[in-house]
This record gives sequence, structure tokens and C-alpha cells, in this order.
Amino acid sequence: GQQVMQIPQYQHVQEGEDFTTYCNSSTTLSNIQWYKQRPGGHPVFLIQLVKSGEVKKQKRLTFQFGEAKKNSSLHITATQTTDVGTYFCAAGGTSYGKLTFGQGTILTVHP
Amino acid sequence: DAMVIQNPRYQVTQFGKPVTLSCSQTLNHNVMYWYQQKSSQAPKLLFHYYDKDFNNEADTPDNFQSRRPNTSFCFLDIRSPGLGDAAMYLCATSRDRDSTYEQYFGPGTRLTVT
Repeated sequence: GQQVMQIPQYQHVQEGEDFTTYCNSSTTLSNIQWYKQRPGGHPVFLIQLVKSGEVKKQKRLTFQFGEAKKNSSLHITATQTTDVGTYFCAAGGTSYGKLTFGQGTILTVHP
Repeated sequence: DAMVIQNPRYQVTQFGKPVTLSCSQTLNHNVMYWYQQKSSQAPKLLFHYYDKDFNNEADTPDNFQSRRPNTSFCFLDIRSPGLGDAAMYLCATSRDRDSTYEQYFGPGTRLTVT
């Protein structure tokens, strides 16, 4: 089945530093979604990327979809303590609208 | 506000004692999903309903069953919980069965098996 590798598994940063998490697939993806899960919370949809080479921004967050639609990244500029949580990529392209989740990157921000 | 609601938020059951978790939604979405999430892991899809059409993931144990009596409600039944079934159970919905639709997650039910 479809697999999505997400790295790093953990990232510890000082407040104000940048953060990036990467997702990679061996197969072409139809789309990729990003979710954030706060500690003790549930996944919350952030954004979806569909087009090759697509770049979307949400304030300090920048999302990219690779030209070959096999990889994606989420970059946070100048992290804040409110950015703490686990960031998941979730790839579409399989049957029944199933999303294949990456393993997630746990972000810790030290004040 | 339209939302996904899960009850109870915390459930303790004994080894082998059947338990039912519930999910309701006011979004009027066609698809409802059940995920199992263990600590520091990604959500693992157990099954989903597309309207009344039930779809089981190949690796979901037979111990897990689901019911969707109407559009708004969906239940997860664990017939004989084992210690390995302790986890967060997340219900999610999406408007339709296409991966380009975002999924809306409920707050989850944390299941403890003693």
C-alpha cells in the first residue's frame, strides 16, 4: 500500500528559530493535507496541496508540494510556543478517499 | 457550531468486557471514519462508512465492529478488549469519499483497559 515517510520524528527548537518537517513518498500523490495535533488534542486540518510545485502560506507557515508530487514540506518561521504539537502530513491517492498519514513530527518549542 | 462529538471522553473497561464508543456529527457529512491512535503514533484507520456502506481496513481485527444507524451517529464496538487496545479512538467525518476533502476530527475517547 501507499506509504509516506515523515522526518524528523522529533524537533526541539528555541522560540524564534525556524522549523521544517518533510514528507516523502515513493509514488506520485494526488494531493497532500497537513494536520496539527496539539498535546492532548485531536488532529486539526491546516491546508491541502494539489498542484505540482504548489506553495501556500498561512502567516508564518509555508507549505510546499514537490514538482513530482512525491514530497511535501511544512516550514514555520520564527516559532512560537503556540506552535507546539505534532504535525502530520496525510496523502491522498488511494481508494475510498483514504488518507495515508505520515508518522508525524513532534515539535517542542523552548521559551 | 457544526462539529464532531465523541462520548465519553474517557472510558475505562476491564479486560474482555465489551465497550461501545459513540460519535455524532452535526456537519451532515456522508463519510464517518474511526481511527485508533496510540501514543506518539499516527492515527490508524480502522474502518469508515460512506453513507450506509461499511468499509473495513484489511488489518482491522475482528474484535472491532462498527454501526451507523443514521447519518449523524456512528458507534465503535470492541467486543473483547485486550490490553493492546488501550488507545485514543478518534472519529472523523468528511463531506464525501474523496481524499481532497478535509477530515474533521472529534476530540477522541481515551480508552483504558484494566
